[in-house]
Amino acid sequence: QKEVEQNSGPLSVPEGAIASLNCTYSDRGSQSFFWYRQYSGKSPELIMFIYSNGDKEDGRFTAQLNKASQYVSLLIRDSQPSDSATYLCAVLTDKLIFGTGTRLQVFP
Amino acid sequence: ETGVTQTPRHLVMGMTNKKSLKCEQHLGHNAMYWYKQSAKKPLELMFVYSLEERVENNSVPSRFSPECPNSSHLFLHLHTLQPEDSALYLCASSPSRGAAYNEQFFGPGTRLTVL
Repeated sequence: QKEVEQNSGPLSVPEGAIASLNCTYSDRGSQSFFWYRQYSGKSPELIMFIYSNGDKEDGRFTAQLNKASQYVSLLIRDSQPSDSATYLCAVLTDKLIFGTGTRLQVFP
Repeated sequence: ETGVTQTPRHLVMGMTNKKSLKCEQHLGHNAMYWYKQSAKKPLELMFVYSLEERVENNSVPSRFSPECPNSSHLFLHLHTLQPEDSALYLCASSPSRGAAYNEQFFGPGTRLTVL
């Protein structure tokens, strides 16, 4: 069974702090890794993807990948209340498999 | 219009009704997808079309019938649904199903309620 695991949360962080979202996956053959943000009542929106070990930065977002540990994370620096959403991790093997998502709450 | 559009946005239907969901992508992509999203569950991939050919059918009941007349349009025909089929149905597209960087772009979804 190919799985993607995420803590459902909610993860609560104060405004301005770093939010750290984690994801583990079971298939070592996984090729690419994606983070989607989904606001309540809306559809998922792609915010980051990563396919090589290490870090990838885009503005306030940093994706981190460790294939040996089968672990991918998303860091959000200077968290804002507008970042409050569910963050979905998705892993590409022969198809895209999604986790259940982590709900992030950023409070003022 | 840009991106991926879906109609209708909301649909309420009885178990004996027949209805269709429509998806259109304006991104020039080659692959299109139907997903089901239920509360507390991961996104469930239902169907994949690549260059108008169905390449995946994830053991979806026959009461769901997809149609892809061209690379820009995707339909999901519904008949004799059950209340447990109530969910958010999301359409997505990507440049190519087989590429390593399979970035999928989602439409706004159709919120389906089966009475």
